[in-house]
Amino acid sequence: AQTVTQSQPEMSVQEAETVTLSCTYDTSESNYYLFWYKQPPSRQMILVIRQEAYKQQNATENRFSVNFQKAAKSFSLKISDSQLGDTAMYFCAFMDLSMPGTYKYIFGTGTRLKVLA
Amino acid sequence: EPEVTQTPSHQVTQMGQEVILRCVPISNHLYFYWYRQILGQKVEFLVSFYNNEISEKSEIFDDQFSVERPDGSNFTLKIRSTKLEDSAMYFCASSRGIMNTEAFFGQGTRLTVV
Repeated sequence: AQTVTQSQPEMSVQEAETVTLSCTYDTSESNYYLFWYKQPPSRQMILVIRQEAYKQQNATENRFSVNFQKAAKSFSLKISDSQLGDTAMYFCAFMDLSMPGTYKYIFGTGTRLKVLA
Repeated sequence: EPEVTQTPSHQVTQMGQEVILRCVPISNHLYFYWYRQILGQKVEFLVSFYNNEISEKSEIFDDQFSVERPDGSNFTLKIRSTKLEDSAMYFCASSRGIMNTEAFFGQGTRLTVV
């Protein structure tokens, strides 16, 4: 079974600093996507960034970037120039593309990030 | 910008009662999902729906649960006889499909079973 592990239940960072959230996953599949979702106090799930496993280049989206290490099955999220609005729960998610008819997510347990003024 | 809409935002129900949670996915999306998040825990997959049938369901999605897309726009989750442990946030999501697999989530329905 595929699993996603986020080993940091809580983290904090000073405003304008950089923080890295860790995620590891386990799969025997080769074709998959990885995602980071943000869940602010409103509890809406908001996509932060996506990485296709077949791409060697790490995805970036403005202040957000990932370090994707396929062999190590590691997918960390780096937030640069942290802002107060980044305070949220962050979920790492895995999507197996080998099953037709479904593209479900398997989520990690989340990392609660607090940005301090 | 198109979005997934869920109603109601909060529902309180008596144990043993039936509830229907409603969702309007993004109109050109083909895959529909329900996820559940018990307070303070991770988001868990319940069921996926494609081509008017369930394509995959989790162990959580037992005979008490059912999904329907009655009119081509709404996507509903029914819980026949609610239990206390069904209290959770329920998220509907939709995605376009192959090559556009990322899911867009609704704002969630908080279900409280008393």
